[in-house]
Amino acid sequence: AQSVTQPDIHITVSEGASLELRCNYSYGATPYLFWYVQSPGQGLQLLLKYFSGDTLVQGIKGFEAEFKRSQSSFNLRKPSVHWSDAAEYFCAAPSGANAGGTSYGKLTFGQGTILTVHP
Amino acid sequence: NAGVTQTPKFRVLKTGQSMTLLCAQDMNHEYMYWYRQDPGMGLRLIHYSVGEGTTAKGEVPDGYNVSRLKKQNFLLGLESAAPSQTSVYFCASNAIAGVANEQFFGPGTRLTVL
Repeated sequence: AQSVTQPDIHITVSEGASLELRCNYSYGATPYLFWYVQSPGQGLQLLLKYFSGDTLVQGIKGFEAEFKRSQSSFNLRKPSVHWSDAAEYFCAAPSGANAGGTSYGKLTFGQGTILTVHP
Repeated sequence: NAGVTQTPKFRVLKTGQSMTLLCAQDMNHEYMYWYRQDPGMGLRLIHYSVGEGTTAKGEVPDGYNVSRLKKQNFLLGLESAAPSQTSVYFCASNAIAGVANEQFFGPGTRLTVL
């Protein structure tokens, strides 16, 4: 079955340090992949998405992610973390279909990674 | 343009009570979704709708019902609430359900069932 896994439940970094959040997927063909961020008490906001082409994707708020087919990964990175980046981050992929198929826009989410930023 | 809104923001129910959560979107989106979020489990799809008057089951539909009488509204009902339904509920919408399209999320409803 198609799945998305985020191995790290909670990550703590110091402000100004670099960040990498891991996401692994299990799909037969090239997947479409998303990263969402959820600030405390808020809904989810799209950070970036990958669907084809360049494997390094730029997003909002200075985030980027790299699709690596050989490792089945789509890790999220930021070179210098700000205190306002403290949030929960979710990796997601379409449910029930590979790229080009019909999933009715449904998404399968990873378990989420909570990011804490120390001053 | 308010995007996706949810009513209420918080609610406490007793076991066996019923309630309806309202989701409204002003973006003229065709597709709408209800998710529940539980710690360590990410978001799981409860029900979804591909257009006015249509609904379909998601991953965890038991104990919930939905209706989409108007394109802009998607209602989630709990007929007889159970403590296992304590969760944060999110509504989302999508303009066209292509696999690369973004879902837009509401702020969530935190429900506690005692």
